Amino acid sequence: NAGVTQTPKFQVLKTGQSMTLQCAQDMNHEYMSWYRQDPGMGLRLIHYSVGAGITDQGEVPNGYNVSRSTTEDFPLRLLSAAPSQTSVYFCASSYEVTGLIGNTGELFFGEGSRLTVL
Amino acid sequence: LAKTTQPISMDSYEGQEVNITCSHNNIATNDYITWYQQFPSQGPRFIIQGYKTKVTNEVASLFIPADRKSSTLSLPRVSLSDTAVYYCLVGDIQTGYSTLTFGKGTMLLVSP
Repeated sequence: NAGVTQTPKFQVLKTGQSMTLQCAQDMNHEYMSWYRQDPGMGLRLIHYSVGAGITDQGEVPNGYNVSRSTTEDFPLRLLSAAPSQTSVYFCASSYEVTGLIGNTGELFFGEGSRLTVL
Repeated sequence: LAKTTQPISMDSYEGQEVNITCSHNNIATNDYITWYQQFPSQGPRFIIQGYKTKVTNEVASLFIPADRKSSTLSLPRVSLSDTAVYYCLVGDIQTGYSTLTFGKGTMLLVSP
């Protein structure tokens, strides 16, 4: 099983450019989410989705858009990149929306996408 | 959301038992305690989860006292490959993973 796959692994952008970070999971997970990780800050939730067609904002949503047209995919869009968005981005998914129905309460993470905005 | 406090870093040697304590004084009745491990350049990986008393799996044990205001992750006989950042999360996962907050974690360094 591929699990959670993120592309690209590395990307360099200029300020004002747009791009999409891709996230795909092959585990039929209902819940998907995006985090960013900055040095000394831990992981912060950007957006999440509890199923196809449903998305919601997390702790730091400004500057990012998401959509969930299929169960498998949850792309993160940067419409106009800023240097403050330089970070490592992680996509995570889980089988159930909540943590205890039918599983151990586990989030599965991708390997991350390192983005640098100049 | 319950706030957690962990040591910023810990050092250990191969073969020793390591105990990482997390403080969560304002934990709510419906909150669960979850620990994740993160290696450099990788996403976090689930280790263990519990609500009260003791939970054990093939990787670690989680000790939670009766008042649930703290928890201790215990790693038996660590090896060099256990060098990683360990995160303690507290939240009501029954209402959704969006309630979980990753703090700064504890950087565990295991030396030969």
